[in-house]
Amino acid sequence: EAQVTQNPRYLITVTGKKLTVTCSQNMNHEYMSWYRQDPGLGLRQIYYSMNVEVTDKGDVPEGYKVSRKEKRNFPLILESPSPNQTSLYFCASSLSPGQPPDGYTFGSGTRLTVV
Amino acid sequence: GQNIDQPTEMTATEGAIVQINCTYQTSGFNGLFWYQQHAGEAPTFLSYNVLDGLEEKGRFSSFLSRSKGYSYLLLKELQMKDSASYLCAAPSGGSYIPTFGRGTSLIVHP
Repeated sequence: EAQVTQNPRYLITVTGKKLTVTCSQNMNHEYMSWYRQDPGLGLRQIYYSMNVEVTDKGDVPEGYKVSRKEKRNFPLILESPSPNQTSLYFCASSLSPGQPPDGYTFGSGTRLTVV
Repeated sequence: GQNIDQPTEMTATEGAIVQINCTYQTSGFNGLFWYQQHAGEAPTFLSYNVLDGLEEKGRFSSFLSRSKGYSYLLLKELQMKDSASYLCAAPSGGSYIPTFGRGTSLIVHP
């Protein structure tokens, strides 16, 4: 089944404790992206990757890191999480950044709480 | 960057028709997308418009006017399961990477 797999689905952590949210896709997509979603603010892009070893900042990159060592994987790293990073996170992939014909495929989401 | 504007919330009756509007900045337009997102779930792709006019997909249709920077999503024969947030997304400035609007929460009642 074509899918984007994110783990974990839920995570509660403490301020300053490094964490990684994994994202893997099995569709041979070149483009991958991370979003956070907060009430009233919609989906905001954190980082994106056009291909292996090519990453770039989105609209809200502060406090996050990413890597793209393999085409299928695009982990999101929070080196020192803070409470303002409490959010719902989505990984997405597509054949190209322009999305057509089927748009982005999103992972199921990771609900992160930083206390 | 892109500035997407869509209503925050709409309500409609089961069986009715509802139109969700979206306006965007036209500079460097490269297509407009609609996604559906049920509460607590991932967004799912609904439609993509790059040319003017109406695209129909079953009960859902999407319209685009490039000159006006305007799109709408039309949902017919509303069902309770259509209660969800509808996200409009478009790139700008010649980029292919879309900015998402804040979403329109549609509530369908019996």
